[in-house]
Amino acid sequence: AQSVTQLDSHVSVSEGTPVLLRCNYSSSYSPSLFWYVQHPNKGLQLLLKYTSAATLVKGINGFEAEFKKSETSFHLTKPSAHMSDAAEYFCVVSRNFGNEKLTFGTGTRLTIIP
Amino acid sequence: DTGVSQDPRHKITKRGQNVTFRCDPISEHNRLYWYRQTLGQGPEFLTYFQNEAQLEKSRLLSDRFSAERPKGSFSTLEIQRTEQGDSAMYLCASSNTGYEQYFGPGTRLTVT
Repeated sequence: AQSVTQLDSHVSVSEGTPVLLRCNYSSSYSPSLFWYVQHPNKGLQLLLKYTSAATLVKGINGFEAEFKKSETSFHLTKPSAHMSDAAEYFCVVSRNFGNEKLTFGTGTRLTIIP
Repeated sequence: DTGVSQDPRHKITKRGQNVTFRCDPISEHNRLYWYRQTLGQGPEFLTYFQNEAQLEKSRLLSDRFSAERPKGSFSTLEIQRTEQGDSAMYLCASSNTGYEQYFGPGTRLTVT
């Protein structure tokens, strides 16, 4: 069994300030973890992935996430928010490098304040 | 553009009608997945194929839902006797073994 909990349904930050989107996971096996982003009226885009290599993972557009097994967390961060980061973000867990079903969290809506 | 494509992008139907959606995966991707996303929620897994074999189906996929991938390329998802609760975005994704899933733009179904 696998699940993810996104701890905040909505996060607002000012442009140029750091972003933190929180995610905890539960898995009965070694998980693969992902963050996907969904801009309005656009498809889901992969931001980054963790598949049992380095625990600090860098993704596109300056985002990164750290896998912490002891805390069962995979939080997404970015040092400086940009207006174009406004979107819905999903934390996702799977096994087998994402080659089987993905289990999504309920999403975090990120709003950027000018 | 060689990404995942879905057709139609929008479908409005009356309750009780049958609908069929098509997904064309990225060329040579051997795995194809279907998900459903309702408003304000994350996508939920429905089913997936490796080539033409359907490997897993969610309990969400009731008897009214059927998916096929007859030649291991494109896939269809059919919903029979649609209900208002079927209104959602239906997402398709594809991948190669060992690699992440790439998503299409989705088909938005509205049942009136």
